Amino acid sequence: NAGVTQTPKFQVLKTGQSMTLQCAQDMNHNSMYWYRQDPGMGLRLIYYSASEGTTDKGEVPNGYNVSRLNKREFSLRLESAAPSQTSVYFCASRPGPFVSETQYFGPGTRLLVL
Amino acid sequence: QKEVEQDPGPLSVPEGAIVSLNCTYSNSAFQYFMWYRQYSRKGPELLMYTYSSGNKEDGRFTAQVDKSSKYISLFIRDSQPSDSATYLCAMSKTNFGNEKLTFGTGTRLTIIP
Repeated sequence: NAGVTQTPKFQVLKTGQSMTLQCAQDMNHNSMYWYRQDPGMGLRLIYYSASEGTTDKGEVPNGYNVSRLNKREFSLRLESAAPSQTSVYFCASRPGPFVSETQYFGPGTRLLVL
Repeated sequence: QKEVEQDPGPLSVPEGAIVSLNCTYSNSAFQYFMWYRQYSRKGPELLMYTYSSGNKEDGRFTAQVDKSSKYISLFIRDSQPSDSATYLCAMSKTNFGNEKLTFGTGTRLTIIP
């Protein structure tokens, strides 16, 4: 049982390049989330997926797209990377939509956009 | 003004000490409160969850919520070097977790052996 896994662990991009961050969970959870963590800002929600086939915007969705490929996988795509997207990205999952259920985080992807 | 304020630290205390970590918030609508622990270069992990006011204890950890003062605390008794991490508070207005969960910026804690 690996929990939530993310790839890659670290990536350097040039401005304008695109990339996809991959996330998978093996806990049969319905809800999945993408966050970014920046110094002095706390964790901020980018997008979430309440169930397979659905996605919704979070607090900071601009510049990102997501795909809930199946129940296990939730990917985050940067179409044209900008230096402001330099951050640590965390994927998370939860059994359902309730705060009272434990949310599990992946190890993170460190992204540097030059 | 941020909705949730958390002293970033760093906070250094000797092993065995009692640690107090705090968050203040401005929106009285927050009802669900969480504390996460985040080790360096790892994802956050849920430590404590509480609903509304009161105390909740789990081993060496106690979470306290004072809604009248808009203030939450996490106490760590008999602190250990393994408690060295960044502690994040988080809160929500409803139990529906797909709405915005508001996080504090985290307090970095070091326990000195």
